[in-house]
Amino acid sequence: QPAVTQESSLTVSPGGTVTLTCDSSSGPVTSGRSPYWLQLRPGQAPRTLIYPTNNRHPWTPARFSGSLLGVKPALTLSGAQPEDEADYYCLFCSGGPCIFGGGTKLTVL
Amino acid sequence: VQLVDSGGGLVQPGGSLRLSCEASQFTFRSHWMHWVRQTPGKGLEWVAAINQDGGQKYYVDSVKGRFTISRDDAKNTLHLQMNSLRGDDTAVYWCAGGFYFDAWGRGTQVTVSS
Repeated sequence: QPAVTQESSLTVSPGGTVTLTCDSSSGPVTSGRSPYWLQLRPGQAPRTLIYPTNNRHPWTPARFSGSLLGVKPALTLSGAQPEDEADYYCLFCSGGPCIFGGGTKLTVL
Repeated sequence: VQLVDSGGGLVQPGGSLRLSCEASQFTFRSHWMHWVRQTPGKGLEWVAAINQDGGQKYYVDSVKGRFTISRDDAKNTLHLQMNSLRGDDTAVYWCAGGFYFDAWGRGTQVTVSS
């Protein structure tokens, strides 16, 4: 399964907007599928924010949204808060097999 | 929804460990279940998955032939038997599943070192 690439790091100002993308080359797990988006803070378990297709879990703040940016899946954070500083991962699953993107380190500064 | 993973520890290269994940307040038998890990300083890696009846199992290439995922629906428990452990298996391991990955364990540390 080819790699799934994400921006390695991004910085956003408090209250600002930032878009993270997930670039998947074609493969049996990613092809034609919409990803999950997860947040990972140091010392904590991952938390799923967005599930296919672009749906929020009840605990996901409304400032997070999933979409397509051209052909790339994207996670947009509108109105960044200090607590949003974390690593973000896209995750594709095809029934059982799954693959993560490389992750984006988001700094709120 | 609560998943409690356990069984991690320090093991020598070539050794074995069995991770467990106990589910409560969770319709365990209705869901695919997964193991995910994060190696030091690196990103998340999907490790293995098992379907609702245990008839379908999938693994990342690096653990095929060494790790076995299983489930005991009567005990609401997921397992990961890890054999022939290597240094690059050192990681925090989480069990995960539920409706759209809504449930995650707290993680268990596995350290493979002599």
